[in-house]
Amino acid sequence: DAGVIQSPRHEVTEMGQEVTLRCKPISGHNSLFWYRQTMMRGLELLIYFNNNVPIDDSGMPEDRFSAKMPNASFSTLKIQPSEPRDSAVYFCASSLALQATGGYTFGSGTRLTVV
Amino acid sequence: GENVEQHPSTLSVQEGDSAVIKCTYSDSASNYFPWYKQELGKRPQLIIDIRSNVGEKKDQRIAVTLNKTAKHFSLHITETQPEDSAVYFCAASSNFNKFYFGSGTKLNVKP
Repeated sequence: DAGVIQSPRHEVTEMGQEVTLRCKPISGHNSLFWYRQTMMRGLELLIYFNNNVPIDDSGMPEDRFSAKMPNASFSTLKIQPSEPRDSAVYFCASSLALQATGGYTFGSGTRLTVV
Repeated sequence: GENVEQHPSTLSVQEGDSAVIKCTYSDSASNYFPWYKQELGKRPQLIIDIRSNVGEKKDQRIAVTLNKTAKHFSLHITETQPEDSAVYFCAASSNFNKFYFGSGTKLNVKP
């Protein structure tokens, strides 16, 4: 398995533009998580899905952020409009929900810079 | 919700020495505690985990201990090597799903 695949690896965009981050979880995993990592706030859970259904989006900062999971093999995180304070590394992770061990497998992340 | 605190924030040791990183959690319902290692510019990777029905777990040079009564758990790395240099994160979960992460410890192993 290729692991969790995220794209793009790097994104530089201007303030006000729409940004879409993509994630392909590990085949067979039924939970998917979006995290944001910054020096100031560490790893923050934004939203997670079980069986393609959003379970907890309490970490989504504001209405500018939205996430979808149209099927078991694909998810997107969209920021519209983007702002400089959204600059961070965004990680997608997947797991087999409710398994007793194993934790998450993280993707390589997308480094977003909003100028 | 759960609150996980981690210290120290930075730790510098000499190669061959031991390193200990400590975490506390607030939710007594938490029952799963993974540890992740993140090298510079890379993704966090699971290195060891422990469930609440176990007090200690070892994997070669790495061990994790859990004290449920005191709500704290620790990562122990023995015979440290330069390649152990990284940021280490602890986490806690009550459902093996939603993890609450600590703020991270930057470990520097000096050759």
